[in-house]
Amino acid sequence: QVQLVQSGAEVKKPGASVKVSCKASGYTFTNYDIHWVRQATGQGLEWVGWMSPDSGDTAYAQKFQGRVTMTRDTSINTAYMEMSSLRSDDTAVYYCARLILGATYNWLDPWGQGTQVTVSS
Amino acid sequence: SSELTQDPTVSVALGQTVRITCQGDILRRFSASWYQQRPGQAPVLVLDARNIRPSGVPDRFSGSSSGTTASLTITGAQAEDESDYYCNSRDSRGNHLVVFGGGTKLTVL
Repeated sequence: QVQLVQSGAEVKKPGASVKVSCKASGYTFTNYDIHWVRQATGQGLEWVGWMSPDSGDTAYAQKFQGRVTMTRDTSINTAYMEMSSLRSDDTAVYYCARLILGATYNWLDPWGQGTQVTVSS
Repeated sequence: SSELTQDPTVSVALGQTVRITCQGDILRRFSASWYQQRPGQAPVLVLDARNIRPSGVPDRFSGSSSGTTASLTITGAQAEDESDYYCNSRDSRGNHLVVFGGGTKLTVL
C-alpha cells in the first residue's frame, strides 16, 4: 500500500539543525510532490514547504526561507527536510505528505506518521 | 488571498447532522479537500477535492461547495467522529503550493 514512513523523534538544542526523513513505498516516488507540514502542540497545521522528487524543485513558506532545505534521494525513495538555527518555537510534530495534483484541485494523501522535534536547552 | 477560515469549534448531538465550513476567496477557483485528525495521530484524508471519499471513509461524510465556501457534512454523527477537521486547497501563488484552514474541533454530544 502507499505509505510514507518518517524518522524518529529528535531533541535538539537552540541553534542546532535537524534533518527529518520520509521514506515512500507503494508508488513511483518521482511521480508525486512531497509536502512538509508542521503542527505545534494544540495548534493547527502549518505548511512548511514542497519538493518535487523528480526535478528537485522546491518552494518554502516565507517564514522558513533561509532556514529550511528539502532534498531527496531517489535511489532509496526518501525525502528529507532539514531545518537550521532551531528555536524553541520550532518545537512541533513535522509531517510529510504526498500531493495529488489536478488542474483545479489538490489533496495530500497519505501522510507520514509524524516526527516530534523538540528544541530545548 | 489564499487564506482559509474555519470555525474553531462546532458541536453536534449524537446521530444528528453537522456541517463544517471553510471559507476563502481561493475556493472560487480551486476545490477544497478535508482531513480528520484524532488526538496524537496524523491527519487523514476524509474527502478529496473532487468530494470523493477514500476507501474506508464512511458514507456519512460528504462535501459540497458554493462560491467562496466549502462544506464537510457528517450525516448521523457518531462518537468516533469527534476530531479536529482541516480544509486544504491550492495557494494562488503557485500550482504546487497549498494552504490550510485553521481547523475545526468537532464535539459529539
